[in-house]
Amino acid sequence: EVQLVESGGGVVRPGGSLRLSCAASGFTFDDYGMSWVRQVPGKGLEWVSGINWNGDNTGYADSVKGRFTISRDNAKNSLYLQMNSLRAEDTALYHCARADGPYYYYYGMDVWGQGTTVTVSS
Amino acid sequence: EIVLTQSPDTLSLSPGERATLSCRASQSVSSSYLAWYQQKPGQAPRLLIYGASSRATGIPDRFSGSGSGTDFTLTISRLEPEDFAVYYCQQYGSSPGFGQGTRLEVK
Repeated sequence: EVQLVESGGGVVRPGGSLRLSCAASGFTFDDYGMSWVRQVPGKGLEWVSGINWNGDNTGYADSVKGRFTISRDNAKNSLYLQMNSLRAEDTALYHCARADGPYYYYYGMDVWGQGTTVTVSS
Repeated sequence: EIVLTQSPDTLSLSPGERATLSCRASQSVSSSYLAWYQQKPGQAPRLLIYGASSRATGIPDRFSGSGSGTDFTLTISRLEPEDFAVYYCQQYGSSPGFGQGTRLEVK
């Protein structure tokens, strides 16, 4: 079964850091680009960051640029999001999602995890 | 940055009716890099349409997408009870982004 499972969410104070992980299974992980997409409860979807199949190209939303870093370990079938200098407005459910091709752009997102919740609060 | 605006925000229809959802881009979307997703409460989004008009695997043929350039449409030909959900359009060019969503509710 094709599956993505996120972990690493939690409660953190403003200015703090958190590292999210996404474990992939059921498909050849290094054939696909990957993204992180977040959603504030009751609100819409926001693309956060993406990475190509081999990690050589990454992209970020303006709202997180310079604070978040996406990476992947193809040997471990895992995607990561290092989140630094967290703000209250980063509070959301964070999904990892698979692009239907080797790049995070140029392809729709055909497999999604259920998400991990990040709460930034003092 | 391409901004996507969906309309209407909420659409109230009855099962069996036809639904037409709109997505307008602030600038042309290259090569029809436009997708539609369905999201139900407590669930992750599901890819319905990619390339503006291609159905994703397993998506019923009552769902169809059309459009190019800056104007795109998702049509559900005859609404089934399970189709009532929130729908998002997404452009997946070099800097992906989503529309704000259209809530399709039972009238």
